[in-house]
Amino acid sequence: KAGVTQTPRYLIKTRGQQVTLSCSPISGHRSVSWYQQTPGQGLQFLFEYFSETQRNKGNFPGRFSGRQFSNSRSEMNVSTLELGDSALYLCASSSLPGQGADSPLHFGNGTRLTVT
Amino acid sequence: QKEVEQNSGPLSVPEGAIASLNCTYSDRGSQSFFWYRQYSGKSPELIMSIYSNGDKEDGRFTAQLNKASQYVSLLIRDSQPSDSATYLCAVTERAGGSYIPTFGRGTSLIVHP
Repeated sequence: KAGVTQTPRYLIKTRGQQVTLSCSPISGHRSVSWYQQTPGQGLQFLFEYFSETQRNKGNFPGRFSGRQFSNSRSEMNVSTLELGDSALYLCASSSLPGQGADSPLHFGNGTRLTVT
Repeated sequence: QKEVEQNSGPLSVPEGAIASLNCTYSDRGSQSFFWYRQYSGKSPELIMSIYSNGDKEDGRFTAQLNKASQYVSLLIRDSQPSDSATYLCAVTERAGGSYIPTFGRGTSLIVHP
């Protein structure tokens, strides 16, 4: 079974631009969640989608948004990029909403975003 | 603000020794607890999960949970150089019909031959 696929692997953008990241979950998984990982803050929850509905949102500004399609693929968008948005963005899928007892997270390889 | 605290390390142990990784959390409502391993430049991978007080063993790994002390630990027996990685503790609470994880910043483990 193929794992979680994230594209692109690397991105370089300038301040003020916007960016869209893509995530394809493991086949059959309907939950997709997004995380930002930086050396200073660690791994932080952005939001989670299940069956095309946003279930939860982390403490990030409205510039960060996402959506999920009927095939469970998800996209994350960041508008008006700031230098502090430079990070590794990880997507994870699970069979049930969130990371519960029977539904561990499976992470993709991430998208490394650099904002200059 | 829910917090999950880990010693950043690095924790250095000789090959064959027991590595002990610790994690404390602030939210008493936390329900599930996970340990992820992350190699440099790679994504996290789940190695252990624990939900009730006590010990849970899986091969060389043992997770220990004490909800009263809000403390979860991971023991790695017979440590190998291939265990050298950053170990992330994740604590999950139920919210909005789902489970939301809060991650610690990770402990770097170095196993030297």
